[in-house]
Amino acid sequence: DAKTTQPNSMESNEEEPVHLPCNHSTISGTDYIHWYRQLPSQGPEYVIHGLTSNVNNRMASLAIAEDRKSSTLILHRATLRDAAVYYCILREGGNFGNEKLTFGTGTRLTIIP
Amino acid sequence: NAGVTQTPKFQVLKTGQSMTLQCAQDMNHEYMSWYRQDPGMGLRLIHYSVGAGITDQGEVPNGYNVSRSTTEDFPLRLLSAAPSQTSVYFCASSYVTGSNGYTFGSGTRLTVV
Repeated sequence: DAKTTQPNSMESNEEEPVHLPCNHSTISGTDYIHWYRQLPSQGPEYVIHGLTSNVNNRMASLAIAEDRKSSTLILHRATLRDAAVYYCILREGGNFGNEKLTFGTGTRLTIIP
Repeated sequence: NAGVTQTPKFQVLKTGQSMTLQCAQDMNHEYMSWYRQDPGMGLRLIHYSVGAGITDQGEVPNGYNVSRSTTEDFPLRLLSAAPSQTSVYFCASSYVTGSNGYTFGSGTRLTVV
């Protein structure tokens, strides 16, 4: 399975942008890059996903490197509610692809008021 | 509301007891899965299913059984609970293509004494 590598923890000041990196050097051509976040005492929540092009939604932006070996989740203006563990995973694009996905330990984001 | 429903939210078992964790989704998702999350750890895949009648093992399947008789339901059975199975259990569902994100339930906190 393609693996991802993320920093264990990051800190950011409130109302400033946050860039959360993820390395996935063994990504295959059909893998989608997914990001999830987990707030304290809650289940993981889908944030965003992409294949090759940068993506934007109401929660965040996803910047994908041209060689697709890394990506960055961008929170444009962090709030205290964004304090969570953020997971980056790869999911095969084809129907009934390899679904043996395990989330790593992710990046614990702390927002400083 | 559409989503993934897990019951119960909390459960205490004695060693050797059996129980079933329930998971139901109303989004017509083909894919369903069970994860466990131990303190300070990421999510580890227990079992998953890509459709009714089809199940497969994940990373940590020992001590757990699953079946998928309908698209909507994916129960997780503990046949003889052990203290090592104390954890928070999350159910997730999705369409099977990698271009879709997972929807997670709110979790079941299980304590085995």
